[in-house]
Amino acid sequence: NAGVTQTPKFQVLKTGQSMTLQCAQDMNHEYMSWYRQDPGMGLRLIHYSVGAGITDQGEVPNGYNVSRSTTEDFPLRLLSAAPSQTSVYFCATNAGGMNTEAFFGQGTRLTVV
Amino acid sequence: KNQVEQSPQSLIILEGKNCTLQCNYTVSPFSNLRWYKQDTGRGPVSLTIMTFSENTKSNGRYTATLDADTKQSSLHITASQLSDSASYICVVKAFTGGGNKLTFGTGTQLKVEL
Repeated sequence: NAGVTQTPKFQVLKTGQSMTLQCAQDMNHEYMSWYRQDPGMGLRLIHYSVGAGITDQGEVPNGYNVSRSTTEDFPLRLLSAAPSQTSVYFCATNAGGMNTEAFFGQGTRLTVV
Repeated sequence: KNQVEQSPQSLIILEGKNCTLQCNYTVSPFSNLRWYKQDTGRGPVSLTIMTFSENTKSNGRYTATLDADTKQSSLHITASQLSDSASYICVVKAFTGGGNKLTFGTGTQLKVEL
């Protein structure tokens, strides 16, 4: 099993460009989330999904869109990249329930110039 | 506002020594507390998950404690190894209506040296 797979691992964008960060899981988990990790700060929730067709905003959703058409995939879209979106992005999944473990992907390091 | 604070920010120890990392939180209502290990350039990996009723939980050389009354947790690493060099992140989950809303600490950066 691959677990949680994120692509690409690294990306450099110019300000104003758009792109999609991919996240795929083969664990059949209901919950999927996107976080960003910045130096000196804890991971912050961008968007999350509790199942196919259902998404909701997290703590820092501005500038990002998501969709969840299947259980397996949860792409994160940057519509018009800004330097403030330079960060490391992590996708995470977990099964339903309050005390279930969260599994993280390897991360995507994004630089916006 | 929910917050998780960790100390120390960084720590250097010699291989074979023990160490303890601290976590204080103000997350309410409390559901569970997790410790994650994050190697450089990798995603976090779960070490332990503790609920309100659990005081201690072990995972190999890692032992986590929880005092829900004082809202403090610690992670003790025994007989450290070079591979323990990583960031250790304390994460607290609150009861919510849905989703996976976790509050993350900024981590303790541990370096184990020969």
